[in-house]
Amino acid sequence: SSELTQDPAVSVALGQTVTITCQGDRLRTYYASWYQQKPGQAPVLVVYGKDNRPSGIPDRFSGSGSGNTASLTITGAQAEDEADYYCDSRDISANHVVFGGGTKLTVV
Amino acid sequence: QVQLVESGGGVVPPGTSLRLSCEASGFTFSYYAMHWVRQTPGMGLEWVAVLSSDGSKRYFSDSVKGRFTISRDNSQNTLYLQLHSLRAEDTARYFCARDQGLPYSGLDQWGQGTLVIVSS
Repeated sequence: SSELTQDPAVSVALGQTVTITCQGDRLRTYYASWYQQKPGQAPVLVVYGKDNRPSGIPDRFSGSGSGNTASLTITGAQAEDEADYYCDSRDISANHVVFGGGTKLTVV
Repeated sequence: QVQLVESGGGVVPPGTSLRLSCEASGFTFSYYAMHWVRQTPGMGLEWVAVLSSDGSKRYFSDSVKGRFTISRDNSQNTLYLQLHSLRAEDTARYFCARDQGLPYSGLDQWGQGTLVIVSS
């Protein structure tokens, strides 16, 4: 399958840990990248590769993967983490990129 | 600092064409593959196309293949997306984004996007 599947919505209590998942066959071979998007803003890359963060991304964001599932974990969620989160991955054979449908994270 | 600035969006009738531009600054544009990604208002991200750093390799999503073309002018630090035979379902905000490099490691810089509305 060329699709990446995410839960539409997830909630977390302030200061607690939350994991957002992304499922797809291509994830058995390739890493996912993760993006945060707040309303009216462009997406921001927060995690890529095995578990790498771009400069300026807080270390409470981390990534992992097992089988056909990639995960983004936020340890100690903050109010400012409330956003939409998207995974993506590349299908090298087709030279395409595919995005997951996105997960709306609510911090309560 | 790195900046990507899209332009060229607007309201156009179905069946017409439009050219989007993405002007880059703050990095060596010619070193990076570049992508276009679109987002229908209130919906998710959809990958559209990618162009290699030297402009020799280009790939498109199935939804736009044959209707959209992608090009770049490395001397002007500008990426283009030419949209032809526009349909209502092409209505979206179009973002350009920088590819971090091989192996694929995500899109690390994004513009703010330009809005295309296809409507009669």
